[in-house]
Amino acid sequence: DQQVKQNSPSLSVQEGRISILNCDYTNSMFDYFLWYKKYPAEGPTFLISISSIKDKNEDGRFTVFLNKSAKHLSLHIVPSQPGDSAVYFCAASAKSGGYQKVTFGTGTKLQVIP
Amino acid sequence: GAVVSQHPSWVICKSGTSVKIECRSLDFQATTMFWYRQFPKQSLMLMATSNEGSKATYEQGVEKDKFLINHASLTLSTLTVTSAHPEDSSFYICSAYRTVGNYGYTFGSGTRLTVV
Repeated sequence: DQQVKQNSPSLSVQEGRISILNCDYTNSMFDYFLWYKKYPAEGPTFLISISSIKDKNEDGRFTVFLNKSAKHLSLHIVPSQPGDSAVYFCAASAKSGGYQKVTFGTGTKLQVIP
Repeated sequence: GAVVSQHPSWVICKSGTSVKIECRSLDFQATTMFWYRQFPKQSLMLMATSNEGSKATYEQGVEKDKFLINHASLTLSTLTVTSAHPEDSSFYICSAYRTVGNYGYTFGSGTRLTVV
Protein backbone atom coordinates (compact mmCIF):
# COMPACT_ATOMS: atom_id res chain seq x y z
CA ASP A 1 0.00 0.00 0.00
CA GLN A 2 1.81 3.07 -1.30
CA GLN A 3 0.71 5.92 0.95
CA VAL A 4 2.82 8.50 -0.86
CA LYS A 5 2.74 8.45 -4.63
CA GLN A 6 4.69 10.22 -7.30
CA ASN A 7 2.94 9.25 -10.49
CA SER A 8 5.52 10.73 -12.85
CA PRO A 9 8.68 8.62 -12.81
CA SER A 10 10.49 11.17 -14.95
CA LEU A 11 10.29 14.77 -16.12
CA SER A 12 12.30 16.76 -18.65
CA VAL A 13 12.41 20.55 -18.55
CA GLN A 14 14.32 23.18 -20.48
CA GLU A 15 16.84 25.22 -18.53
CA GLY A 16 15.28 28.43 -17.21
CA ARG A 17 11.75 27.09 -17.27
CA ILE A 18 9.68 25.92 -14.33
CA SER A 19 9.83 22.34 -13.07
CA ILE A 20 6.74 21.08 -11.30
CA LEU A 21 6.95 17.80 -9.41
CA ASN A 22 3.78 16.33 -8.02
CA CYS A 23 3.00 14.10 -5.08
CA ASP A 24 -0.22 12.58 -3.75
CA TYR A 25 -0.81 10.97 -0.40
CA THR A 26 -3.57 8.93 1.18
CA ASN A 27 -2.95 9.08 4.92
CA SER A 28 -4.74 12.04 6.50
CA MET A 29 -2.59 11.63 9.63
CA PHE A 30 0.49 12.98 7.85
CA ASP A 31 1.33 16.31 9.43
CA TYR A 32 4.61 17.21 7.78
CA PHE A 33 5.78 16.95 4.22
CA LEU A 34 9.30 17.05 2.84
CA TRP A 35 11.10 17.04 -0.47
CA TYR A 36 14.49 15.44 -0.93
CA LYS A 37 16.92 15.47 -3.82
CA LYS A 38 18.99 12.39 -4.47
CA TYR A 39 21.89 11.52 -6.73
CA PRO A 40 22.77 7.90 -7.53
CA ALA A 41 24.70 6.11 -4.77
CA GLU A 42 24.25 9.01 -2.38
CA GLY A 43 21.92 9.71 0.51
CA PRO A 44 18.97 12.08 0.03
CA THR A 45 19.54 15.77 0.62
CA PHE A 46 16.81 17.77 2.30
CA LEU A 47 15.37 20.52 0.12
CA ILE A 48 12.28 22.00 1.65
CA SER A 49 9.42 21.08 3.93
CA ILE A 50 5.95 22.22 4.82
CA SER A 51 3.75 21.75 7.83
CA SER A 52 0.21 20.54 7.30
CA ILE A 53 -1.10 23.80 8.73
CA LYS A 54 0.37 25.77 5.85
CA ASP A 55 -0.35 25.77 2.14
CA LYS A 56 2.87 27.25 0.81
CA ASN A 57 6.52 27.45 1.75
CA GLU A 58 9.18 29.15 -0.30
CA ASP A 59 12.96 28.92 -0.16
CA GLY A 60 14.85 30.57 -2.96
CA ARG A 61 14.07 28.82 -6.24
CA PHE A 62 12.06 26.13 -4.47
CA THR A 63 8.43 26.44 -3.47
CA VAL A 64 6.24 23.71 -2.05
CA PHE A 65 2.47 23.91 -2.27
CA LEU A 66 0.14 21.82 -0.16
CA ASN A 67 -3.52 21.16 -0.92
CA LYS A 68 -4.82 19.23 2.05
CA SER A 69 -8.32 18.74 0.71
CA ALA A 70 -6.91 17.08 -2.39
CA LYS A 71 -4.11 15.36 -0.44
CA HIS A 72 -1.70 16.73 -2.98
CA LEU A 73 1.56 18.61 -2.82
CA SER A 74 3.88 19.92 -5.45
CA LEU A 75 7.41 21.24 -5.69
CA HIS A 76 8.10 24.13 -8.05
CA ILE A 77 11.63 24.93 -9.14
CA VAL A 78 12.05 28.27 -10.87
CA PRO A 79 14.19 28.80 -12.83
CA SER A 80 15.34 25.25 -13.45
CA GLN A 81 19.08 24.70 -13.77
CA PRO A 82 21.05 21.75 -15.16
CA GLY A 83 22.41 21.13 -11.66
CA ASP A 84 18.86 20.41 -10.53
CA SER A 85 18.91 17.17 -12.52
CA ALA A 86 18.43 14.40 -9.96
CA VAL A 87 15.77 12.17 -8.48
CA TYR A 88 13.34 14.01 -6.25
CA PHE A 89 11.55 12.20 -3.45
CA CYS A 90 8.44 13.43 -1.79
CA ALA A 91 8.08 12.32 1.82
CA ALA A 92 5.40 12.60 4.47
CA SER A 93 5.61 12.07 8.18
CA ALA A 94 3.22 11.24 10.98
CA LYS A 95 3.71 10.57 14.65
CA SER A 96 4.14 6.91 15.39
CA GLY A 97 5.35 5.44 18.67
CA GLY A 98 6.80 8.69 19.97
CA TYR A 99 8.64 9.78 16.86
CA GLN A 100 7.85 11.07 13.39
CA LYS A 101 7.77 8.17 10.95
CA VAL A 102 8.64 9.20 7.41
CA THR A 103 7.17 7.55 4.32
CA PHE A 104 8.78 8.17 0.95
CA GLY A 105 7.26 8.34 -2.50
CA THR A 106 8.76 6.45 -5.41
CA GLY A 107 10.67 9.40 -6.79
CA THR A 108 10.64 11.50 -9.95
CA LYS A 109 13.74 11.77 -12.06
CA LEU A 110 14.15 15.35 -13.23
CA GLN A 111 16.30 16.19 -16.20
CA VAL A 112 16.99 19.83 -16.91
CA ILE A 113 18.13 20.28 -20.48
CA PRO A 114 20.65 23.08 -21.12
CA GLY B 1 24.54 22.03 9.73
CA ALA B 2 23.73 18.56 10.94
CA VAL B 3 25.96 15.88 9.51
CA VAL B 4 25.42 12.15 9.50
CA SER B 5 28.36 9.99 8.57
CA GLN B 6 27.78 6.51 7.21
CA HIS B 7 30.53 3.95 6.76
CA PRO B 8 31.48 2.11 4.65
CA SER B 9 30.31 3.69 1.40
CA TRP B 10 30.44 0.40 -0.38
CA VAL B 11 31.23 -3.15 0.55
CA ILE B 12 31.49 -6.46 -1.26
CA CYS B 13 31.18 -9.60 0.82
CA LYS B 14 30.88 -13.31 0.27
CA SER B 15 27.60 -15.07 0.71
CA GLY B 16 27.18 -16.31 4.29
CA THR B 17 29.32 -13.64 5.92
CA SER B 18 28.15 -10.70 8.01
CA VAL B 19 28.58 -7.03 7.31
CA LYS B 20 28.34 -4.12 9.74
CA ILE B 21 27.33 -0.63 8.63
CA GLU B 22 27.87 2.34 10.94
CA CYS B 23 25.84 5.52 11.15
CA ARG B 24 27.14 8.41 13.24
CA SER B 25 25.67 11.81 13.97
CA LEU B 26 28.69 14.10 14.01
CA ASP B 27 27.45 17.34 15.50
CA PHE B 28 24.27 16.48 17.31
CA GLN B 29 22.80 13.78 19.49
CA ALA B 30 20.29 11.48 17.90
CA THR B 31 18.13 9.41 20.19
CA THR B 32 16.39 8.01 17.14
CA MET B 33 17.93 6.85 13.90
CA PHE B 34 16.31 5.16 10.94
CA TRP B 35 17.56 2.55 8.53
CA TYR B 36 16.29 2.48 4.95
CA ARG B 37 16.87 0.23 2.02
CA GLN B 38 16.58 1.21 -1.61
CA PHE B 39 16.36 -1.15 -4.55
CA PRO B 40 17.22 0.16 -8.02
CA LYS B 41 14.67 2.63 -9.31
CA GLN B 42 12.52 2.20 -6.24
CA SER B 43 11.65 4.24 -3.21
CA LEU B 44 13.44 4.27 0.09
CA MET B 45 11.81 1.67 2.28
CA LEU B 46 12.01 2.05 6.04
CA MET B 47 13.47 -1.09 7.56
CA ALA B 48 13.65 -0.22 11.22
CA THR B 49 13.79 2.52 13.79
CA SER B 50 16.79 2.49 16.08
CA ASN B 51 16.29 3.89 19.57
CA GLU B 52 19.22 4.67 21.84
CA GLY B 53 19.38 2.28 24.75
CA SER B 54 16.47 0.13 23.67
CA LYS B 55 15.49 -2.45 21.09
CA ALA B 56 14.93 -1.42 17.52
CA THR B 57 11.47 -1.33 16.03
CA TYR B 58 11.28 -3.27 12.79
CA GLU B 59 8.87 -2.69 9.95
CA GLN B 60 6.61 -5.48 8.82
CA GLY B 61 8.42 -8.00 6.68
CA VAL B 62 11.91 -7.13 7.89
CA GLU B 63 13.72 -10.01 9.57
CA LYS B 64 15.06 -8.76 12.89
CA ASP B 65 17.42 -11.71 13.23
CA LYS B 66 18.94 -10.97 9.87
CA PHE B 67 19.25 -7.21 10.20
CA LEU B 68 20.65 -6.58 13.66
CA ILE B 69 20.48 -3.01 14.87
CA ASN B 70 22.37 -1.61 17.81
CA HIS B 71 22.08 1.97 19.05
CA ALA B 72 24.57 1.98 21.89
CA SER B 73 25.12 5.72 22.16
CA LEU B 74 23.45 8.99 21.23
CA THR B 75 25.70 9.34 18.21
CA LEU B 76 26.07 5.82 16.83
CA SER B 77 23.75 3.22 15.37
CA THR B 78 24.92 0.10 13.57
CA LEU B 79 23.18 -2.23 11.16
CA THR B 80 24.61 -5.72 10.80
CA VAL B 81 23.48 -7.84 7.89
CA THR B 82 24.00 -11.38 9.15
CA SER B 83 24.61 -14.38 6.91
CA ALA B 84 24.29 -12.17 3.85
CA HIS B 85 22.89 -13.55 0.61
CA PRO B 86 22.89 -12.08 -2.90
CA GLU B 87 19.29 -10.91 -2.44
CA ASP B 88 20.50 -8.68 0.40
CA SER B 89 22.50 -6.69 -2.11
CA SER B 90 21.07 -3.20 -1.98
CA PHE B 91 21.68 0.41 -1.04
CA TYR B 92 21.31 0.99 2.68
CA ILE B 93 20.83 4.49 4.07
CA CYS B 94 20.60 5.73 7.62
CA SER B 95 18.90 8.84 8.87
CA ALA B 96 19.05 10.67 12.15
CA TYR B 97 16.23 12.58 13.77
CA ARG B 98 17.15 15.67 15.69
CA THR B 99 15.62 15.99 19.12
CA VAL B 100 16.17 19.74 19.33
CA GLY B 101 16.54 22.55 16.86
CA ASN B 102 15.10 22.62 13.37
CA TYR B 103 12.76 19.88 12.37
CA GLY B 104 14.23 17.61 9.79
CA TYR B 105 15.93 14.39 9.04
CA THR B 106 19.54 14.20 7.97
CA PHE B 107 20.61 11.29 5.87
CA GLY B 108 23.90 9.50 5.62
CA SER B 109 25.58 9.05 2.27
CA GLY B 110 24.48 5.44 1.99
CA THR B 111 26.21 2.08 1.75
CA ARG B 112 26.19 -0.01 -1.41
CA LEU B 113 26.26 -3.66 -0.35
CA THR B 114 27.03 -6.33 -2.92
CA VAL B 115 26.92 -9.95 -1.83
CA VAL B 116 28.68 -12.36 -4.16
